[in-house]
Amino acid sequence: NAGVTQTPKFRILKIGQSMTLQCAQDMNHNYMYWYRQDPGMGLKLIYYSVGAGITDKGEVPNGYNVSRSTTEDFPLRLELAAPSQTSVYFCASRAGTSNQPQHFGDGTRLSIL
Amino acid sequence: GENVEQHPSTLSVQEGDSAVIKCTYSDSASNYFPWYKQELGKRPQLIIDIRSNVGEKKDQRIAVTLNKTAKHFSLHITETQPEDSAVYFCASYNAGNMLTFGGGTRLMVKP
Repeated sequence: NAGVTQTPKFRILKIGQSMTLQCAQDMNHNYMYWYRQDPGMGLKLIYYSVGAGITDKGEVPNGYNVSRSTTEDFPLRLELAAPSQTSVYFCASRAGTSNQPQHFGDGTRLSIL
Repeated sequence: GENVEQHPSTLSVQEGDSAVIKCTYSDSASNYFPWYKQELGKRPQLIIDIRSNVGEKKDQRIAVTLNKTAKHFSLHITETQPEDSAVYFCASYNAGNMLTFGGGTRLMVKP
């Protein structure tokens, strides 16, 4: 049982490039989330999903897209990378029953130059 | 939407002393309050949580209290140790599916 797995751990992109951050969980959790954390700051919600085929915007969705074709996977796509998207990205999941904690992956550190 | 405020933003204590971090929330429908610890360069990890039908919960040196009337909850760490040094985040779940985080408290425990 690996929990929440994120790949890659580190990535450097050039401005305007695109990439997909991968997130997979093996706990059969319905709910999955993407956050970004800027240096010295808290967590901001980008997108979330309550189940396969269902996604919704969080606090800071601009510049990102997500999909949820399976229960296990919740990839985050950056289409046109900008320096403002330099951050650490965390994926999290939780069970569908009420009042359950979120479990976080180890994060992807992304730098855009 | 929900708003969670956390204080203080930084806290320095001597090893062995107690540390208290306080959070307030705005949505009276919020019903679940987890606390996360984040060490430098690592992921947030759940350390304790409390549900709205409980006023206090303890786990060894860590305790959390909840006052639903006042809409605030607090984290208490007793007998602090250097390994307690980290950033701590409070959070609140309301009837929706999103967790709202406080801004974080950087705790430094001096040996």
